[in-house]
Amino acid sequence: KAGVTQTPRYLIKTRGQQVTLSCSPISGHRSVSWYQQTPGQGLQFLFEYFSETQRNKGNFPGRFSGRQFSNSRSEMNVSTLELGDSALYLCASSQGGSNQPQHFGDGTRLSIL
Amino acid sequence: AQRVTQPEKLLSVFKGAPVELKCNYSYSGSPELFWYVQYSRQRLQLLLRHISRESIKGFTADLNKGETSFHLKKPFAQEEDSAMYYCALMSSGTYKYIFGTGTRLKVLA
Repeated sequence: KAGVTQTPRYLIKTRGQQVTLSCSPISGHRSVSWYQQTPGQGLQFLFEYFSETQRNKGNFPGRFSGRQFSNSRSEMNVSTLELGDSALYLCASSQGGSNQPQHFGDGTRLSIL
Repeated sequence: AQRVTQPEKLLSVFKGAPVELKCNYSYSGSPELFWYVQYSRQRLQLLLRHISRESIKGFTADLNKGETSFHLKKPFAQEEDSAMYYCALMSSGTYKYIFGTGTRLKVLA
């Protein structure tokens, strides 16, 4: 099976812009989670989608949003970018049930100038 | 509040020495606990989960509900064990994952 694929791998944006990141889960996986990874904070949970519905949400401002399509692919959008949004954004997919491990992508490295 | 704590940011041990990476959690129900590992230039990947009660790459982890801990142990460290290790808790019912801040393990020759 192909692994979790995230595009693009790298992005450079300026403050105030918006950005959309994409994640293709492992075939058959219905859950997609997004995380922000920074050196100081580790992995911070953003949100999780299951069968096109947001099932869980972390403590991030409304500038961070996401969606999931019928093929389980997911996108994450960040509007009005701030310098502090510079981070590695990781996507993980799973089957979505109890004790199901998450499978991570390589991430999208977002740099805000 | 649900929380996962990994008190050590960095742990350095010599090759052949025992390793214990600490993980404590705060959760009111029955936790589902995992250890993930990220080797240099590789993806974050599952190392083991408590429900499996298995040993992976010589690592084991025992859930201690009394002490709310899920420490990762290996009797003899190898240089290839050098990596970033994350403890994670899955909230049963909500299926939400909570990660600790990670411990970097350095195994010295």
